[in-house]
Amino acid sequence: GENVEQHPSTLSVQEGDSAVIKCTYSDSASNYFPWYKQELGKGPQLIIDIRSNVGEKKDQRIAVTLNKTAKHFSLHITETQPEDSAVYFCAASRSAGGTSYGKLTFGQGTILTVHP
Amino acid sequence: DSGVTQTPKHLITATGQRVTLRCSPRSGDLSVYWYQQSLDQGLQFLIQYYNGEERAKGNILERFSAQQFPDLHSELNLSSLELGDSALYFCASSPIEGFSPLHFGNGTRLTVT
Repeated sequence: GENVEQHPSTLSVQEGDSAVIKCTYSDSASNYFPWYKQELGKGPQLIIDIRSNVGEKKDQRIAVTLNKTAKHFSLHITETQPEDSAVYFCAASRSAGGTSYGKLTFGQGTILTVHP
Repeated sequence: DSGVTQTPKHLITATGQRVTLRCSPRSGDLSVYWYQQSLDQGLQFLIQYYNGEERAKGNILERFSAQQFPDLHSELNLSSLELGDSALYFCASSPIEGFSPLHFGNGTRLTVT
């Protein structure tokens, strides 16, 4: 089955700096890659996602890049703010007759701390 | 607020017991997914239902079962509980069976003593 590796496990940055989290996946058939942010006591919240037919996607301070050849994708957060502090998860899935996009394989998570 | 409602928020029970976790998906969402989050295993997919029918299974134990009812709410039943079943259980929903992002509830924290 799919295996997703996520690095680093912890990341500490100063407010205003950029943060980059990287993930690699094993199943070359994976074609959907969402990123989730999880705050304490809450469920994962989708922050951005990308499909395999796109190499990069941006939403304000957040961007995701995908390299299908190398089977890795990254989350980039610019101008970080203290409220960006949370656990971030990458995930991967593949469609199989339209039923598998929700069967996500998650990375182990990155604890991001943004210091004021 | 994702619009996905899970009850109860916390559940404490003893080994060998059986519990039921409940999930109400976002209005209009037909697909429901159950995930387990633990420190050692991370976030793992358990099972998916679409409009009342089971669609996909992940690493779900035989002691665990789920169903989705005609009103689209779902229940996850955990029986013969073991200490290792202590975890956060999340429900997520999406509008359709194919590509659409998942929206997670805030989970049920199960503690087995």
